[in-house]
Amino acid sequence: DQQVKQNSPSLSVQEGRISILNCDYTNSMFDYFLWYKKYPAEGPTFLISISSIKDKNEDGRFTVFLNKSAKHLSLHIVPSQPGDSAVYFCAALISNFGNEKLTFGTGTRLTIIP
Amino acid sequence: EPEVTQTPSHQVTQMGQEVILRCVPISNHLYFYWYRQILGQKVEFLVSFYNNEISEKSEIFDDQFSVERPDGSNFTLKIRSTKLEDSAMYFCASSRDRSFNYGYTFGSGTRLTVV
Repeated sequence: DQQVKQNSPSLSVQEGRISILNCDYTNSMFDYFLWYKKYPAEGPTFLISISSIKDKNEDGRFTVFLNKSAKHLSLHIVPSQPGDSAVYFCAALISNFGNEKLTFGTGTRLTIIP
Repeated sequence: EPEVTQTPSHQVTQMGQEVILRCVPISNHLYFYWYRQILGQKVEFLVSFYNNEISEKSEIFDDQFSVERPDGSNFTLKIRSTKLEDSAMYFCASSRDRSFNYGYTFGSGTRLTVV
């Protein structure tokens, strides 16, 4: 039951260019979306989130775009830096009371080429 | 920066044995979670805990699993009789509220190997 999908298992981007990571979801009840970054042997680190009432949220080099009609979101990293090389997970949740379960995608391994 | 601390980092146990995975959430956080990641698979929700009780659990979290916050600082996950398929990275997470603007803070995980 893949409610959150990241169809690209890997992505390579030149340093300084834009990295675009994509995520699709199937459950229209999801109303909050988060992006996490994970290095080997570490836990996921929160990057940025977006509520379904918005279509864009920006934090420094990171911008998340949400297209509700397409059930698609993307994370843009500009400019990409070598330290951005990691696995990126998209996650979604339904924020009604008592439901705090994050549903994760399978992740995209981003490699920044110097 | 405050951290979620998990111990041990790696636990090897024999099938059928009980294990307790320990977590110290961030001190002013109120919501606590366990997730796991089987090698090569996605991170999966196990359980959420608030106000000293389970607020939600997944179908994975069966009667073999239990959680406890015994002393106001530690948050533990117990697996009563481990199975080979319990081998995974187990992540503890905490959050201070349900606004989700700050995400959840995850620990570095405990790698559980059941042999």
